[in-house]
Amino acid sequence: GQNIDQPTEMTATEGAIVQINCTYQTSGFNGLFWYQQHAGEAPTFLSYNVLDGLEEKGRFSSFLSRSKGYSYLLLKELQMKDSASYLCAAVDSNYQLIWGAGTKLIIKP
Amino acid sequence: ETGVTQTPRHLVMGMTNKKSLKCEQHLGHNAMYWYKQSAKKPLELMFVYSLEERVENNSVPSRFSPECPNSSHLFLHLHTLQPEDSALYLCASSQKREYNEQFFGPGTRLTVL
Repeated sequence: GQNIDQPTEMTATEGAIVQINCTYQTSGFNGLFWYQQHAGEAPTFLSYNVLDGLEEKGRFSSFLSRSKGYSYLLLKELQMKDSASYLCAAVDSNYQLIWGAGTKLIIKP
Repeated sequence: ETGVTQTPRHLVMGMTNKKSLKCEQHLGHNAMYWYKQSAKKPLELMFVYSLEERVENNSVPSRFSPECPNSSHLFLHLHTLQPEDSALYLCASSQKREYNEQFFGPGTRLTVL
């Protein structure tokens, strides 16, 4: 079957760095998305990786290893507004998104 | 209006009611999606429309009935729902079915009594 695993919840301190991991098993693979979702709001796009390596976008970076079925989202210089759920989604051979349950990130002052 | 809008934002209904959720996208996209989001569970894809044709129906109970009259509008008609159908219903759109960056609406928080 198809499956995405990511931690349920993580806690970090304002100004620090946090890494949110995601492992996936899909029938075929056409890339991996990370979305951010604040409580009561719509998920919003953060990143898309289809090739191995690190993609950096400001304070956020996303990494992909296709051979390991593994990705992570790295958040630097954490701010209180980064408190949200982070959703990992892999694209299978039918271009369907397979979603993880999300990681709730709590930022403490 | 820009992006993806959904109405109503909150809905409380009894099990015998009939109601409809509405989604509108102002992005010129050709694909639209309905998702169900329950607490601590992955997003569940319910329906996909591409160029106004339904291309996917993931074994959703018949008490949920989608309608896509044109590429900008998507409806989800609800009838005889169960309490376990209470969830956040999200609408999304993408440029085309194979291009997967999806833009989401704010969702409708549905409570079935």
